[in-house]
Amino acid sequence: SAVISQKPSRDICQRGTSLTIQCQVDSQVTMMFWYRQQPGQSLTLIATANQGSEATYESGFVIDKFPISRPNLTFSTLTVSNMSPEDSSIYLCSVELPGASAEQYFGPGTRLTVT
Amino acid sequence: ELKVEQNPLFLSMQEGKNYTIYCNYSTTSDRLYWYRQDPGKSLESLFVLLSNGAVKQEGRLMASLDTKARLSTLHITAAVHDLSATYFCAGHNYGQNFVFGPGTRLSVLP
Repeated sequence: SAVISQKPSRDICQRGTSLTIQCQVDSQVTMMFWYRQQPGQSLTLIATANQGSEATYESGFVIDKFPISRPNLTFSTLTVSNMSPEDSSIYLCSVELPGASAEQYFGPGTRLTVT
Repeated sequence: ELKVEQNPLFLSMQEGKNYTIYCNYSTTSDRLYWYRQDPGKSLESLFVLLSNGAVKQEGRLMASLDTKARLSTLHITAAVHDLSATYFCAGHNYGQNFVFGPGTRLSVLP
């Protein structure tokens, strides 16, 4: 398994500002993912962040709004830019460990409220 | 494109009863996962099912996979209040992304 931490755990931000969320894992992993979970909903993949390459964004998510950094094999950041109330969600990072199961482990999440 | 459905979406059951949550998926899926999420918490991995006929059990939960029917089940035996949570299944094909179902919100009543 993997131990994943996220900072901040929660934040309340004003419309038009940006927030950077950090994700730290206790072992080196190639594949990291960022998800959004709106209240009462399932998880939606924002992007895949592999070290040494540009992040790959899913349909409906763009780099200008959600820039991602992946400077090394244990760390990634997701920035939510120019926030609006519609960005209020839980943001989760996850990692996929090598092996046949390709299981993903999730961080504790960052609860973002935009006012 | 892989799509994952779950039913029921909401389940309220009495303690001590048995019930099954169903997870259907639209195309082949190399692997099937079950996760648990408590309110305000992250996702906890419960089971990974890798092949047709796979069955895994942990405590009062048992998961199975039928790849021919494109169906996975999560069976709850003699439910207790501590099992109240939202349960997600997710499909995954090699080289592609996870696809999560909508989740089943389970409430176990005393």
